[in-house]
Amino acid sequence: DVKVTQSSRYLVKRTGEKVFLECVQDMDHENMFWYRQDPGLGLRLIYFSYDVKMKEKGDIPEGYSVSREKKERFSLILESASTNQTSMYLCASTQTGTALSGANVLTFGAGSRLTVL
Amino acid sequence: GDSVTQMEGPVTLSEEAFLTINCTYTATGYPSLFWYVQYPGEGLQLLLKATKADDKGSNKGFEATYRKETTSFHLEKGSVQVSDSAVYFCALTQDTGRRALTFGSGTRLQVQP
Repeated sequence: DVKVTQSSRYLVKRTGEKVFLECVQDMDHENMFWYRQDPGLGLRLIYFSYDVKMKEKGDIPEGYSVSREKKERFSLILESASTNQTSMYLCASTQTGTALSGANVLTFGAGSRLTVL
Repeated sequence: GDSVTQMEGPVTLSEEAFLTINCTYTATGYPSLFWYVQYPGEGLQLLLKATKADDKGSNKGFEATYRKETTSFHLEKGSVQVSDSAVYFCALTQDTGRRALTFGSGTRLQVQP
């Protein structure tokens, strides 16, 4: 069964700490994404990546950075965590191609719930 | 930019009731449309999709039809079960440019026995 695995389901950090959220996919997908999910706001795109070492800002990149050194791994970094970054973070991936090939169907991880105190 | 608007929840229904969750979108061109479902404590799963106008996506008794004239993709099910209790997200993506989905705010469905 294909999978997107997020290494930490629950994290509690203090304001100002550096936080790493890791995501690994085993489907050889080119595209990977980080979203945050907040009640009433749905999912908002933070960053995405089309290829190794490539990254593009999403809709809410402020306060975040990412790293993609290997095709299967996409890391989200909070350089200095703040309380307004308390949220559920979801990683997703998809292959490159057309809609007919299923390229636009995202596979999601189970999520990482981060609490910043 | 592209956007998706869903009806606010929670939606509370009795088992075997008929379900409709409204979804409308604003987008250029011909996006693909999706419904994702999130069960408690889990990530999002694809429920159904449609890639062109008048397509009907269906899965697990749920259906949605891509209506370009009304820019809508309403989710329906004829008879809900307690196990359908979840949060439902409508989303779209373009076939060119970034592959990221644009999501609605989600609608929580609670089905009571």
